Amino acid sequence: AQTVTQSQPEMSVQEAETVTLSCTYDTSESDYYLFWYKQPPSRQMILVIRQEAYKQQNATENRFSVNFQKAAKSFSLKISDSQLGDAAMYFCAFGWGAQKLVFGQGTRLTINP
Amino acid sequence: SAVISQKPSRDICQRGTSLTIQCQVDSQVTMMFWYRQQPGQSLTLIATANQGSEATYESGFVIDKFPISRPNLTFSTLTVSNMSPEDSSIYLCSVETGGNQPQHFGDGTRLSIL
Repeated sequence: AQTVTQSQPEMSVQEAETVTLSCTYDTSESDYYLFWYKQPPSRQMILVIRQEAYKQQNATENRFSVNFQKAAKSFSLKISDSQLGDAAMYFCAFGWGAQKLVFGQGTRLTINP
Repeated sequence: SAVISQKPSRDICQRGTSLTIQCQVDSQVTMMFWYRQQPGQSLTLIATANQGSEATYESGFVIDKFPISRPNLTFSTLTVSNMSPEDSSIYLCSVETGGNQPQHFGDGTRLSIL
């Protein structure tokens, strides 16, 4: 069975600073995807970034980038130049097969002005 | 990406009653999913809604409690039956448009059972 672990229930960062959210996973699958979703208080799940397991290059989306360590089964999210609008719950997710998703427990990110 | 509309956005229900949640997509999609997010928790997949056939349920979820319909490629419903306070959650539908695209989510339905 696939499992996703986010070991940081809460994180905080000063506005304009950089923060890294951790995620580890366990799987026996060889072909899979990893995702970071953001859930603000409005409860909508918003895709932040996606990484294909077969790609060695780390995905980036503007201020968001990942550090994908396949051998270590680690998938951390780095947010650069943090903004107040980045405050949300962040969920790491593992996807495979028919694109079922397994989510981690989430990290609540607070941005301090 | 697809625009997903979920109705209702929230509801307060009496125990023992049932509520049907609708998920409408503005384009045809290959896969539709239903998730539950209990208070303060992460998302758990309830089932995959299959067009033209019975939904595929995950372990711990049964059709009698969570009947699902998917009459076409743009619409699905989830019914929460015989509700109890433990069913108080956010219910979210998601879609995958195919071609290994990521799932996109509706805004969710916040359900409270008294």
